[in-house]
Amino acid sequence: SAVISQKPSRDICQRGTSLTIQCQVDSQVTMMFWYRQQPGQSLTLIATANQGSEATYESGFVIDKFPISRPNLTFSTLTVSNMSPEDSSIYLCSARQGANTGELFFGEGSRLTVL
Amino acid sequence: AQSVTQLGSHVSVSEGALVLLRCNYSSSVPPYLFWYVQYPNQGLQLLLKYTSAATLVKGINGFEAEFKKSETSFHLTKPSAHMSDAAEYFCAVSDPDTGGFKTIFGAGTRLFVKA
Repeated sequence: SAVISQKPSRDICQRGTSLTIQCQVDSQVTMMFWYRQQPGQSLTLIATANQGSEATYESGFVIDKFPISRPNLTFSTLTVSNMSPEDSSIYLCSARQGANTGELFFGEGSRLTVL
Repeated sequence: AQSVTQLGSHVSVSEGALVLLRCNYSSSVPPYLFWYVQYPNQGLQLLLKYTSAATLVKGINGFEAEFKKSETSFHLTKPSAHMSDAAEYFCAVSDPDTGGFKTIFGAGTRLFVKA
């Protein structure tokens, strides 16, 4: 199993600013992902964080808005840039060990409110 | 494209009653299927997963799910609900179109347990 720590757990941000969310895993994992969970909704995959290279973004998400880093096998960051109220959401870091069909482990999420 | 459908955004049961949360998937090949639970202000954690070893899968906290290929279903059940089961439940599938790389989540079902 893997334990994932995210910070900040919550924040209130002003429109136009940027915030970086950090994700630390307690063991090496093969894959790391970032999801967005808007209020009362399901999870939407933002991107796959690739170690040492550019992240792979899903349709509707772009690097300029959501730059992602993954410098090693246990750490990743997601930045939400030039925030607007529509970015108010929970951002979840997740990771997978081993096979592509294995379970995902999740952090507790970072709840962002943009005013 | 792959999809997961959860019937009923909200389910309410009395304590001690049967819990049944419905999930249907679309896939032309047997997928890997998962149920996750999310308690308030927490990330998701795995309840159980189907990986083709057995059609009836037992998970944590007394939950189980049965894979029915003919019905493309993977419904979650628990014989007797407990107040602590109140949470959001997500059915998910590893997308075979991407070699299981991506996990697709259903919209979620919020379970309420009445005393």
